Amino acid sequence: AQSVTQPDIHITVSEGASLELRCNYSYGATPYLFWYVQSPGQGLQLLLKYFSGDTLVQGIKGFEAEFKRSQSSFNLRKPSVHWSDAAEYFCAVAPTSGTYKYIFGTGTRLKVLA
Amino acid sequence: DTEVTQTPKHLVMGMTNKKSLKCEQHMGHRAMYWYKQKAKKPPELMFVYSYEKLSINESVPSRFSPECPNSSLLNLHLHALQPEDSALYLCASSRTSGGFVTDTQYFGPGTRLTVL
Repeated sequence: AQSVTQPDIHITVSEGASLELRCNYSYGATPYLFWYVQSPGQGLQLLLKYFSGDTLVQGIKGFEAEFKRSQSSFNLRKPSVHWSDAAEYFCAVAPTSGTYKYIFGTGTRLKVLA
Repeated sequence: DTEVTQTPKHLVMGMTNKKSLKCEQHMGHRAMYWYKQKAKKPPELMFVYSYEKLSINESVPSRFSPECPNSSLLNLHLHALQPEDSALYLCASSRTSGGFVTDTQYFGPGTRLTVL
């Protein structure tokens, strides 16, 4: 069955520290991959996406993600976290053809310590 | 511009009320979505419209009735809801490709619905 796993439900980091949020997927073929961020009570904002090509993807707000086919992973990273990065982060995958559906991970809640 | 707007931001309704949620986008996207999101959970797909036609209904109860009057607008009509329907309702849109949607979904800010 197709699935997306975000192993860390909560992560706490200090402001200025580096960050890595993990995302693993189970899929028959390489899907399209996305990271979204959601602040409390808000909608989802796209951080970055991977469709093909360079496996290191740059996004907004200083985030990047690396697609590793051999590990079925698409981990999100940021070299220096800001207090405003505290939010919920969702990884999502979508098939490259055939349906409209995203499969979302369960989310990782990031807390940033001042 | 990648903006999807939703109104109202907040809605409180009784179980016998009829209300509607509205979503609008002007990005030329021909696929539009309704999601339901409970606290601390990922969004759950409810409906997908493609070229103003309902393409996917994820077995949503009939007390939720979607409508896509034109390519920019998506409504969700609510009637006889239950308290467990209280949630954040998110609208999204995306381009389509060959009739299937494989592109990025852009989300609105959501409507926080409370059913008393």
